Amino acid sequence: KAGVTQTPRYLIKTRGQQVTLSCSPISGHRSVSWYQQTPGQGLQFLFEYFSETQRNKGNFPGRFSGRQFSNSRSEMNVSTLELGDSALYLCASSTREGGNTEAFFGQGTRLTVV
Amino acid sequence: GESVGLHLPTLSVQEGDNSIINCAYSNSASDYFIWYKQESGKGPQFIIDIRSNMDKRQGQRVTVLLNKTVKHLSLQIAATQPGDSAVYFCAEASGGYNKLIFGAGTRLAVHP
Repeated sequence: KAGVTQTPRYLIKTRGQQVTLSCSPISGHRSVSWYQQTPGQGLQFLFEYFSETQRNKGNFPGRFSGRQFSNSRSEMNVSTLELGDSALYLCASSTREGGNTEAFFGQGTRLTVV
Repeated sequence: GESVGLHLPTLSVQEGDNSIINCAYSNSASDYFIWYKQESGKGPQFIIDIRSNMDKRQGQRVTVLLNKTVKHLSLQIAATQPGDSAVYFCAEASGGYNKLIFGAGTRLAVHP
């Protein structure tokens, strides 16, 4: 079974630009979560989607948004990039509709804002 | 690979010894706990999980202990191997919807 796939792996953007990251979950998984990882703040929850609906959102500004498609693939978008948005963005997928269960992570997208 | 965390606490052990990594969690309402291993340049890898109705769970070479009274979680790795060298994160969740709150992480360094 293929794992969680994130594209692209690496990205360099300029301040003020916007970026879209993609995540394909494990086949059959309908929940997709996004996390930001930085050396200073660690791993922080961005949002979670299930059946194309955002069910939960972390404490990030509105510049961070996401969506999920009917095939469970998800994208996240960051608009008006700031230097502080440089981070590893991780996507995780899991099976359960309700309740928590193990989330499997992708390799991440390393975003550098210059 | 990229650094996961610049100033993480480090646990150094000899190959073959047992390792114990500790984690204090914050939310007394958390009902699900999970350990991840992250190697440089990779995403977190699931190790083991435990629900709040249990206090111990065992996997292959790993054991997780949960003490809800003091809000403490530990990961025990038996016969630690060089391949176990990585950063280990605990995470907690409550209320469903797969929102994980991660700890800061502990770097495990295994020496031959």
